Amino acid sequence: GQNIDQPTEMTATEGAIVQINCTYQTSGFNGLFWYQQHAGEAPTFLSYNVLDGLEEKGRFSSFLSRSKGYSYLLLKELQMKDSASYLCAASNQAGTALIFGKGTTLSVSS
Amino acid sequence: GAVVSQHPSWVICKSGTSVKIECRSLDFQATTMFWYRQFPKQSLMLMATSNEGSKATYEQGVEKDKFLINHASLTLSTLTVTSAHPEDSSFYICSVDKGDVVDTQYFGPGTRLTVL
Repeated sequence: GQNIDQPTEMTATEGAIVQINCTYQTSGFNGLFWYQQHAGEAPTFLSYNVLDGLEEKGRFSSFLSRSKGYSYLLLKELQMKDSASYLCAASNQAGTALIFGKGTTLSVSS
Repeated sequence: GAVVSQHPSWVICKSGTSVKIECRSLDFQATTMFWYRQFPKQSLMLMATSNEGSKATYEQGVEKDKFLINHASLTLSTLTVTSAHPEDSSFYICSVDKGDVVDTQYFGPGTRLTVL
């Protein structure tokens, strides 16, 4: 089967660092995506990993371990506007739809 | 700028009526578009893959006669919810693989459907 697991909720304070973990099991694997989704809005693309290792993009970084079926999204210097749902999604085949986890709702407080 | 647009952004309708949702790719041609549905506090669930010039591919459990998909051009796909019922109330989102970063999908802004 295909399954993507991530924590349901996380809380953090402004300026802090938070790591959102994701484990996946898919029939094939062609990349791991992270999307940010604010309430009532469509998801927006954050990052993509296909090879093992860390991809850094400003305050956000994403890590992938293919052998472990594991990824994390690291958010640094948290801001209030980072409060959103973060979706982990896997591609099991090029050109097909993504498989989404249920999302992690991050609440950033001052 | 926006890559994908959807119309309408929200719609309220009576039970038993049909609602059409449009998804447009704005600056590129898309042979494939994806339709997702998202219930409150749930993940995006793929409903169907829309293919230009051919029949859509529906996911298991999605009624093709209820959710009609038409992908008549390379920039437009439509989803029609026929005989809508309150349980069809949801957030409907389309996405397109633009092909610039492998498999990255760009999402439309979504359509909030409320069936009374």
